[in-house]
Amino acid sequence: GDSVTQMEGPVTLSEEAFLTINCTYTATGYPSLFWYVQYPGEGLQLLLKATKADDKGSNKGFEATYRKETTSFHLEKGSVQVSDSAVYFCALIRGGSQGNLIFGKGTKLSVKP
Amino acid sequence: GAVVSQHPSRVICKSGTSVKIECRSLDFQATTMFWYRQFPKQSLMLMATSNEGSKATYEQGVEKDKFLINHASLTLSTLTVTSAHPEDSSFYICSASRGQDTEAFFGQGTRLTVV
Repeated sequence: GDSVTQMEGPVTLSEEAFLTINCTYTATGYPSLFWYVQYPGEGLQLLLKATKADDKGSNKGFEATYRKETTSFHLEKGSVQVSDSAVYFCALIRGGSQGNLIFGKGTKLSVKP
Repeated sequence: GAVVSQHPSRVICKSGTSVKIECRSLDFQATTMFWYRQFPKQSLMLMATSNEGSKATYEQGVEKDKFLINHASLTLSTLTVTSAHPEDSSFYICSASRGQDTEAFFGQGTRLTVV
């Protein structure tokens, strides 16, 4: 069945460092792909998404490109801030509703000043 | 974005008792709500999908008589864990959507501990 694999955490970076969180998927067809972020004590928030191959999703300085050749959707940011400390989840839509998602295990990011 | 509130955020209950978790959409009408469960160091797994006014659709392997879901209004869905056991201890999180092809918004989750 469909699945999402993302890099194990935790990831600890210094402020202004470059961030990459790897995400690969297994799916039938080309499902929409998502990155969600969960800040401490809050619910998951949609960070960005891409609905077809070669699409680039971007938001708040984060980017991810839907690459069907490598079945990947890696999350990147050029210069992280302390406020980016959170857990990041990669997900794909299972079918039908955008609420029907398959998630990766999540990657905890800690950014130190 | 829309706001989804989940209550309680943490609950501890004794084995054999039942516990109810509420999921509310505060500023929009949610025709569809989703319930997920997350074990430690695991992915969020979809448990069930509920549409307002109809029975929930449960994922394979989820006991519908144990995890009762009610979606009686467009702003409220509840998950009741019946006859709870320690193995039911987990993080439960809901999401709500206005419709089939619209973004789903997540609550902050409920940490359930059964002792």
